[in-house]
Amino acid sequence: ETGVTQSPTHLIKTRGQQVTLRCSSQSGHNTVSWYQQALGQGPQFIFQYYREEENGRGNFPPRFSGLQFPNYSSELNVNALELDDSALYLCASSLDWEEAFFGQGTRLTVV
Amino acid sequence: QQQVKQSPQSLIVQKGGISIINCAYENTAFDYFPWYQQFPGKGPALLIAIRPDVSEKKEGRFTISFNKSAKQFSLHIMDSQPGDSATYFCAASMDKEKLTFGTGTRLTIIP
Repeated sequence: ETGVTQSPTHLIKTRGQQVTLRCSSQSGHNTVSWYQQALGQGPQFIFQYYREEENGRGNFPPRFSGLQFPNYSSELNVNALELDDSALYLCASSLDWEEAFFGQGTRLTVV
Repeated sequence: QQQVKQSPQSLIVQKGGISIINCAYENTAFDYFPWYQQFPGKGPALLIAIRPDVSEKKEGRFTISFNKSAKQFSLHIMDSQPGDSATYFCAASMDKEKLTFGTGTRLTIIP
């Protein structure tokens, strides 16, 4: 176990709805990155937060947004859900830019 | 420029054999090359990683070979065991920031 916990583990939403996914980073880690992993694909970088500031963003539309709290936990928000947003959402934490440790992910299904 | 190409897509190896997975990258600014192992329903777990200043790194049964001029790197799993059956992802990044993943290799070890 990596010490990175994500909630919920599974979620079903309807197209057009909004969703919030949560990540508790490993103790002592100050950097959180979010990835989207579609079925049968490698994870795709969404964005990274370092000490509560966004520090890089991948090729995802603005309806994907995030937040990092003073305790370095993080949220991923997705508005106006589309069917293609169905995926495993992974959170990874690290201390500064050392090795990233992944949580078990949240499986989001949009119907 | 940001792609990491991984092959094969799937691999079947007999117990005790050598499993070899290959990756190629385009962006010469990449300076960190990790390999991740992922079991169904779990997040990726870091196996082994290499920097481009060395051509090989070995940890137990896992070895990364790195060819900087060819922009290729590979994972070798010696004495493959059924417990090694999983999906393996190569990745690359600059300064361990956002990871660019390959598409994954599903490895099956048969008795």
